[in-house]
Amino acid sequence: QVHLVQSGPEVKKPGASVKVACKPSGYTFTDYGITWVRQAPGQGLEWMGWIGTYNGNTNYAQKLQGRVTMTTDTSTSTAYMELRRLKSDDTAVYYCARRGSGPLLYYFDYWGQGTLVTVSS
Amino acid sequence: DIQMTQSPSTLSASVGDRVTITCRASQSISSLLAWYQQKPGKAPKLLIYKASSLESGVPSRFSGSGSGTEFTLTIDSLQPDDFATYYCQQYNSYSSFGGGTKVEIK
Repeated sequence: QVHLVQSGPEVKKPGASVKVACKPSGYTFTDYGITWVRQAPGQGLEWMGWIGTYNGNTNYAQKLQGRVTMTTDTSTSTAYMELRRLKSDDTAVYYCARRGSGPLLYYFDYWGQGTLVTVSS
Repeated sequence: DIQMTQSPSTLSASVGDRVTITCRASQSISSLLAWYQQKPGKAPKLLIYKASSLESGVPSRFSGSGSGTEFTLTIDSLQPDDFATYYCQQYNSYSSFGGGTKVEIK
């Protein structure tokens, strides 16, 4: 079975950085991309960006350009999302999800359990 | 960026009802649209992809239609397990989500 397991909750101060890990299992890591989606308390889903695990190619949402970096470590089959210069409105649950391997397949079929990131002084 | 607009934002319905949710794209996205169900405290679950393809394991009472800029998700004979929030997602140009539709008990 496919599972994506994320790292635990984080509490950060404004201006700090956070790095969330996502470790998939049950399939070949480099056969699918990984996307990151966040959800602020009581709000909807916000696409943050994605990474092609085979070649490391990334695309980020425009509003996060310059603050977000998505990477992978193929030796441990782990994906990472780092968000810098945190603000209070970055407080959210951050999800990783598996993305299809071709442009016509860029929907998200398996999701991690979510990681709560709280930004507070 | 492609904007996705869902309507209604909240929908009150009873068990057994037929429910329809609409999603509109700010520009044509062909059929590159997915639908998700999310329950409180849980990750979203994929229901439909490519506008009308049912994900494996999803009950057949869920169906999707549309292309271009207008899409619908229909739930035939609403079940107690279907009370949740539903989101559309376009993947024609990068990706973006609609604002969500909460289906609540009437």
